[in-house]
Amino acid sequence: GAVVSQHPSRVICKSGTSVKIECRSLDFQATTMFWYRQFPKQSLMLMATSNEGSKATYEQGVEKDKFLINHASLTLSTLTVTSAHPEDSSFYICSASISLAKNIQYFGAGTRLSVL
Amino acid sequence: QKEVEQNSGPLSVPEGAIASLNCTYSDRGSQSFFWYRQYSGKSPELIMSIYSNGDKEDGRFTAQLNKASQYVSLLIRDSQPSDSATYLCAVQESGGSNYKLTFGKGTLLTVNP
Repeated sequence: GAVVSQHPSRVICKSGTSVKIECRSLDFQATTMFWYRQFPKQSLMLMATSNEGSKATYEQGVEKDKFLINHASLTLSTLTVTSAHPEDSSFYICSASISLAKNIQYFGAGTRLSVL
Repeated sequence: QKEVEQNSGPLSVPEGAIASLNCTYSDRGSQSFFWYRQYSGKSPELIMSIYSNGDKEDGRFTAQLNKASQYVSLLIRDSQPSDSATYLCAVQESGGSNYKLTFGKGTLLTVNP
């Protein structure tokens, strides 16, 4: 149980384009989803927290207009990297928590974004 | 700013030995503590969670928590080459309703056959 699916696993795009990453909870309803970014040899840095039906809460220093997060249902959250630039190249990982066990986060497999 | 500190390693142990991983945190009010394992190029996988002072054992893994010292550790007994990975310590902030995690930078463990 508690499977989180993240798609795509890898994306290569040209500078200036937008990329959408999906995060789905397959066998549970996720009241809260989290989006992280991880640069090489660095730890996971929380970008934003999203609750179903409400606006995402962004961490300090994360541009909300550049990283658009939508959490339209209890099983789906999306992260759109708008006008991507090479410095946005990173490993993006989502996680989800269950309402009855909010302190446990289940992670998706991650998306490797490379912006040329 | 909440901080979670880990020795970056690499920590190298022979197969069958005990690997000891350490973590300290700055937020004295933190309530929940987690150890994740991350293989290269993969996302983190939850190994252990611990909430109370003392030891918690699960198979070959033992987590230890000392809130007074703001210290949490992970022991891996009978280490196997498949345990070679980066181990991330994560601390959950106290208060609030979203249960955010703060991660350390991770300790790279290599188990040599």
